[in-house]
Amino acid sequence: ETGVTQSPTHLIKTRGQQVTLRCSSQSGHNTVSWYQQALGQGPQFIFQYYREEENGRGNFPPRFSGLQFPNYSSELNVNALELDDSALYLCASSRGDSYEQYFGPGTRLTVT
Amino acid sequence: GQNIDQPTEMTATEGAIVQINCTYQTSGFNGLFWYQQHAGEAPTFLSYNVLDGLEEKGRFSSFLSRSKGYSYLLLKELQMKDSASYLCAVSETDSWGKLQFGAGTQVVVTP
Repeated sequence: ETGVTQSPTHLIKTRGQQVTLRCSSQSGHNTVSWYQQALGQGPQFIFQYYREEENGRGNFPPRFSGLQFPNYSSELNVNALELDDSALYLCASSRGDSYEQYFGPGTRLTVT
Repeated sequence: GQNIDQPTEMTATEGAIVQINCTYQTSGFNGLFWYQQHAGEAPTFLSYNVLDGLEEKGRFSSFLSRSKGYSYLLLKELQMKDSASYLCAVSETDSWGKLQFGAGTQVVVTP
């Protein structure tokens, strides 16, 4: 059974650019949640996908968008990057009927 | 919205016990979680409490009082590898996956 994987590991972008981050969920998991973690802070909930539909959203602007695919992998897209978007982006997968989430290693995004 | 408060940092000696407190104010509640996060790594699940009382799992125990909006994580027989950030998180009422995290408590274990 493979765990949650994310790509890329690190990414450097310029302000105003767009970025796509990817997450492969753990086998058997149909729910993916995305979080943003700024340095020295706890993760902040961005949104969740359940069976390819958005299933809740945190306090993030519309330029943060996502997708979930039939194999339950997921993408996070961020448009018009701002300096404050620099953070560790974590995805976590779970079964819809379980409280346990398993986090991926994260993507470290730096916006210059 | 939800407010989750926990101390910023705690220091303890190897072999000792440390208790990390967490208070929360939520409009709904579907469980409280504790995660461990080593620097540069993903959070890993430690415990889940939805009913009042103490849950024990090896060297780690977690306590919940829903009426007080209070939880603590107890780490016993501290080891150097326990040096990490410990995150308290609350689940919203309608889904376990939408966690609201505190800022984390950095535990430093000294020899």
